Amino acid sequence: KNQVEQSPQSLIILEGKNCTLQCNYTVSPFSNLRWYKQDTGRGPVSLTIMTFSENTKSNGRYTATLDADTKQSSLHITASQLSDSASYICVVSAMGGYNKLIFGAGTRLAVHP
Amino acid sequence: DADVTQTPRNRITKTGKRIMLECSQTKGHDRMYWYRQDPGLGLRLIYYSFDVKDINKGEISDGYSVSRQAQAKFSLSLESAIPNQTALYFCATSDLSGGPSGEQFFGPGTRLTVL
Repeated sequence: KNQVEQSPQSLIILEGKNCTLQCNYTVSPFSNLRWYKQDTGRGPVSLTIMTFSENTKSNGRYTATLDADTKQSSLHITASQLSDSASYICVVSAMGGYNKLIFGAGTRLAVHP
Repeated sequence: DADVTQTPRNRITKTGKRIMLECSQTKGHDRMYWYRQDPGLGLRLIYYSFDVKDINKGEISDGYSVSRQAQAKFSLSLESAIPNQTALYFCATSDLSGGPSGEQFFGPGTRLTVL
């Protein structure tokens, strides 16, 4: 069964600190993996996309990694800001006639001053 | 103006009522989707449409129907709402250039409560 599991479920950090969010997946055949940021009261917005051959990709203070062998991804946030408070959702695409998206439940991050 | 808009943003209704959620987009995308989000669960696909004449069921289509009135409009109906349809509903769009797994652009969501 295709599944995406994220950890931790929630996280509280102080402004300026770094954090790492985890995503483990059992999706086959794998197409790509995206991290989305969902602010409260808004829809998800894509942060990064990673394909099978990519190990790391950055978007400003966000750096995503992918280990296709162990089927794990991480999202590292550097020098956190209050505006980073949001849910972060890992989405894995499975290849097929219609590439199906499998969404993780998300990690809720709160950045405190 | 927002690229993907949803109306209403919030709705409270009673069991058995018919409800329609509407989605409009100005991105010019051909593909549109309806998802629901429940606490502790990932988004789940209800229906998707690749063009005006193409409607497909997602993984949780029972109890829902859709209408693609135009390229820019995709509505979701609950013919007879029930309490376990209480959830946050998202409309999303994508274009053909990104391929089948291209980036999806989400609306702001509709919070539906069925009493």
